[in-house]
Amino acid sequence: GENVEQHPSTLSVQEGDSAVIKCTYSDSASNYFPWYKQELGKGPQLIIDIRSNVGEKKDQRIAVTLNKTAKHFSLHITETQPEDSAVYFCAASRGRNSGGSNYKLTFGKGTLLTVNP
Amino acid sequence: DSGVTQTPKHLITATGQRVTLRCSPRSGDLSVYWYQQSLDQGLQFLIQYYNGEERAKGNILERFSAQQFPDLHSELNLSSLELGDSALYFCASSVGVTGGSSGQFFGPGTRLTVL
Repeated sequence: GENVEQHPSTLSVQEGDSAVIKCTYSDSASNYFPWYKQELGKGPQLIIDIRSNVGEKKDQRIAVTLNKTAKHFSLHITETQPEDSAVYFCAASRGRNSGGSNYKLTFGKGTLLTVNP
Repeated sequence: DSGVTQTPKHLITATGQRVTLRCSPRSGDLSVYWYQQSLDQGLQFLIQYYNGEERAKGNILERFSAQQFPDLHSELNLSSLELGDSALYFCASSVGVTGGSSGQFFGPGTRLTVL
């Protein structure tokens, strides 16, 4: 099955700096890669996702890049703010056109991001 | 607020007992997924239902079962509870069967404590 590795497990940055979180996946049939933000006591919140037909996607201060050949994808947060502090999870799954019938998300172990004011 | 609701928020019970967790998906979503989150295992997929039918199974124990009702709400039943079942249980929903075209949206979770 799919295996998703996420690094680093903790990341501390100063407000205004950039933060980068990296993930690798093992299943070459995976073609959907979402990122989730989980604040203390809350459920994971989908913040951005990317599909394998694109290499990069941006939404304001958040961007995700995907390298299908190397099987890795990254989350970039620019101009970080204290409210960005949370645990971030990457995930991978197969989509409808990748064969099989199991579309479950496989998650990385998470990155605790702390933005210091 | 994702639009996914889960009840109860907290549940404290004893070993050997049985509990039921309830989830209502976002309006219009046909798929419901259940996940277990623990410190050592992270977020683990348990099971998926689509429009009332089971579609995929993950690392779900035989003591656990789920179902999705005609009104699309879902229940996760946990029986013969053990200390190791203490965890956060999340429900997520998506429009389609894949969850890969529109994403999966998570509820606030149920924190289960088994004493």
